Amino acid sequence: EVVLTQSPGTLSLSPGEGPTLSCRASQSVSSSKLAWYQQKPGQAPRLLIYGASRRATGIPDRFSGSGSGTDFTLTISRLEPEDFAVYYCQQYGNSPLTFGQGTKLEIK
Amino acid sequence: EVQLVESGGGLVQPGGSLRLSCAASGFTFRIYSMSWVRQAPGKGLEWVSAVSDSGGRMWYADSVKGRFTVSRDNPKNTLYLQMNSLRAEDTAVYYCVKEVDHNGLFDYWGQGTLVTVSS
Repeated sequence: EVVLTQSPGTLSLSPGEGPTLSCRASQSVSSSKLAWYQQKPGQAPRLLIYGASRRATGIPDRFSGSGSGTDFTLTISRLEPEDFAVYYCQQYGNSPLTFGQGTKLEIK
Repeated sequence: EVQLVESGGGLVQPGGSLRLSCAASGFTFRIYSMSWVRQAPGKGLEWVSAVSDSGGRMWYADSVKGRFTVSRDNPKNTLYLQMNSLRAEDTAVYYCVKEVDHNGLFDYWGQGTLVTVSS
């Protein structure tokens, strides 16, 4: 099983700042099949990034993903108030499908 | 518009059973693989089970293998999860999820149904 470790666990930032979230895999993720989801309280997750760097439909270009192998990042260029949420990475290249434990972005 | 509406959650005693349903609309249900993903209260996401477009192939997380059974009724556009021998650690919100292309990437999620296992 591919274990995904996200860091940091919590990030306290102000609107306008540009965080970088990390997702590290215990083994190489096949074909960069790494996705990022955003989850707000009381809501289902929403797909942001797939294939490590491709934005899903309707996702603003302030969200970008990068990485390959075992190290991946999600960058938000300028935080908007609606971006404060929990972010999960997921690998879908190996069975079983696995998620990271999440990074919470909170307002400072 | 894609819609996934789960039902069937509730309170059940340890060792009991429950069947979840997910009514799908807004897309051609029969050509997509579907999954169930759960989230324990205050915790992260855990993939539970998947079923192929035809319903002929199923996959399970080790934590539920032998206890849960996934199935689908394509003419009724409905996904199911039969949960037996339930344990306290199965307590979670269960999400019905559409896969993008039989690859484990999820593009649409239902709002979830809460299953609570407690005496």
